[in-house]
Amino acid sequence: DTAVSQTPKYLVTQMGNDKSIKCEQNLGHDTMYWYKQDSKKFLKIMFSYNNKELIINETVPNRFSPKSPDKAHLNLHINSLELGDSAVYFCASSPTTAQWRGGRTDTQYFGPGTRLTVL
Amino acid sequence: AQSVTQLDSQVPVFEEAPVELRCNYSSSVSVYLFWYVQYPNQGLQLLLKYLSGSTLVKGINGFEAEFNKSQTSFHLRKPSVHISDTAEYFCAVSLYGGATNKLIFGTGTLLAVQP
Repeated sequence: DTAVSQTPKYLVTQMGNDKSIKCEQNLGHDTMYWYKQDSKKFLKIMFSYNNKELIINETVPNRFSPKSPDKAHLNLHINSLELGDSAVYFCASSPTTAQWRGGRTDTQYFGPGTRLTVL
Repeated sequence: AQSVTQLDSQVPVFEEAPVELRCNYSSSVSVYLFWYVQYPNQGLQLLLKYLSGSTLVKGINGFEAEFNKSQTSFHLRKPSVHISDTAEYFCAVSLYGGATNKLIFGTGTLLAVQP
């Protein structure tokens, strides 16, 4: 009954390869996110989708491409992997995205992370 | 632009002692404030959040935080820590009234509880 799940948990690969990380949430949320946590534990948002629509696209190399087949899934595909891509990637979800409805903000629920190591 | 500063990268403390983890933010507009905890090899879990109202916010596991608008701070406190509180703690902000829930994180503080 995991709320936000990611596969794989660990991913070790060679430079230049293409890899994907999958994320699924069973919370019925509309919005999903990808965050990158570097070796110094700094967390930065990469992308966000709301109901399969891209709403946040931070300054990320275009080798990274998110794909949302439905609102319960948000996958991250990375082409031509580089050493600097080594990090922990976290998926998250929240009920909605827009705060203007009632001036509230939604808690984000995080997955367990995928540790990507590029050799 | 918004930013979050956690000045202490590591805070060692003995079990049953009180602890304060510091967080300061910078923003020209109102923000929401959060504290998340990351236990070893796990994802992030929300500890508490400040949206509006009382400036003292209580969270899970006995933690609380106080929003101080004049000092742009949101320090996290616990009166008596346990070994199980050893984890990385992240302060974060999101913009009030923003079109998205984008979280901007600080660099984290490792709380190391010693017996």
